[in-house]
Amino acid sequence: AQSVTQLGSHVSVSEGALVLLRCNYSSSVPPYLFWYVQYPNQGLQLLLKYTSAATLVKGINGFEAEFKKSETSFHLTKPSAHMSDAAEYFCAVSARGYTGFQKLVFGTGTRLLVSP
Amino acid sequence: GAVVSQHPSRVICKSGTSVKIECRSLDFQATTMFWYRQFPKQSLMLMATSNEGSKATYEQGVEKDKFLINHASLTLSTLTVTSAHPEDSSFYICSAGLAGIRDTQYFGPGTRLTVL
Repeated sequence: AQSVTQLGSHVSVSEGALVLLRCNYSSSVPPYLFWYVQYPNQGLQLLLKYTSAATLVKGINGFEAEFKKSETSFHLTKPSAHMSDAAEYFCAVSARGYTGFQKLVFGTGTRLLVSP
Repeated sequence: GAVVSQHPSRVICKSGTSVKIECRSLDFQATTMFWYRQFPKQSLMLMATSNEGSKATYEQGVEKDKFLINHASLTLSTLTVTSAHPEDSSFYICSAGLAGIRDTQYFGPGTRLTVL
């Protein structure tokens, strides 16, 4: 079984500051890990994913995340926040499946607030 | 590429009526589609997984007779909420899996259902 814990339902940063959104996972099998962003009243957009290649994963809009197996973490970072980054961010985990799709299990989400 | 659409984007209906929501993969064939439900300020909860040409697999606690899912083609899945009640009001989001890329789901923009 898989689960995800996102620490902090809200994170506030100033424009230009470092963004750090925390995600810890639990998985009984090797995981795939994902970060998605959701803007109000919209679906989810994939930011980046870890699928057992490089542990440091670079995504869109300047975001990156590092898979740390020893810490069971997959934190999302961005060096410099923009106002447009304000949104809800979801971390998700799935089992590494060899046949067919595996279910995504989502964290509870972190709302990123960016102030001028 | 990998665009998923949903129709309608918003629907308001009276209690007791049925509502159909369509999910389409516009530029790829989706062997697997997923339906999620999201309550305000909460995470996504998987309702069911549908594979083209076969019956959907429902998550525990989801009433299959109330939430009818049909995946008749590789580009279309439908969710019908039967005899809708106010507690069914929610944001419904579908996702589609791209054949050959098992680990990634592409999400539609969501449908806001309000039952009066």
